[in-house]
Amino acid sequence: QVQLQQWGAGLLKPSETLSLTCAVYGGSFSGYYWSWIRQPPGKGLEWIGEINHSGSTNYNPSLKSRVTISVDTSKNQFSLKLSSVTAADTAVYYCARGVITMVRGVILSSWFDPWGQGTLVTVSS
Amino acid sequence: QSVLTQPPSVSGAPGQRVTISCTGSSSNIGAGYDVHWYQQLPGTAPKLLIYGNSNRPSGVPDRFSGSKSGTSASLAITGLQAEDEADYYCQSYDSSLRKVFGGGTKLTVL
Repeated sequence: QVQLQQWGAGLLKPSETLSLTCAVYGGSFSGYYWSWIRQPPGKGLEWIGEINHSGSTNYNPSLKSRVTISVDTSKNQFSLKLSSVTAADTAVYYCARGVITMVRGVILSSWFDPWGQGTLVTVSS
Repeated sequence: QSVLTQPPSVSGAPGQRVTISCTGSSSNIGAGYDVHWYQQLPGTAPKLLIYGNSNRPSGVPDRFSGSKSGTSASLAITGLQAEDEADYYCQSYDSSLRKVFGGGTKLTVL
């Protein structure tokens, strides 16, 4: 059974760079897209971006200029960096495995399962 | 403001049936992309509840069901139980914004 375990700094100052890593245990690393998703306190979910084992990435256009997702296939890990953080970036950040189905090269469906335990990142001066 | 629209809250008594709607547009649900549902218990990570509009992962009770029509989808919960009290999120793929979520619906079991 696949398990995701994540870690990273939980308290940042404005303008610093958020850095989180997620390790994948117990399953294949290839054949999936690995995503980061965040949830501000008391609010809904926002997809940040994803990467596959080859290093191909897709980002949420609203965050693209500040986000970098990278992968280390030797360790079955992927990481998130979010630059120039502000208080608006305060959230619980989750990593998740993205399952994608395609028909003739076109994405038909994409969902997240399983999820990491979440990391609360607070941005405060 | 979320790309997919859900009611902020629904409620029902134990044993009753409740539904949660998820409304999208022609660039996501209406474009033919599947809808998925997640259950988030208080203080925990979301858990996949329904994938591909109406499929349940192993271990999810058949009290939970999903459907999709046009630009909307619905999650139905029958035989409501106290442990169903949680936040529920729909999710789909959008041709411009990639993966998108609804704003979430808080289910209260009366």
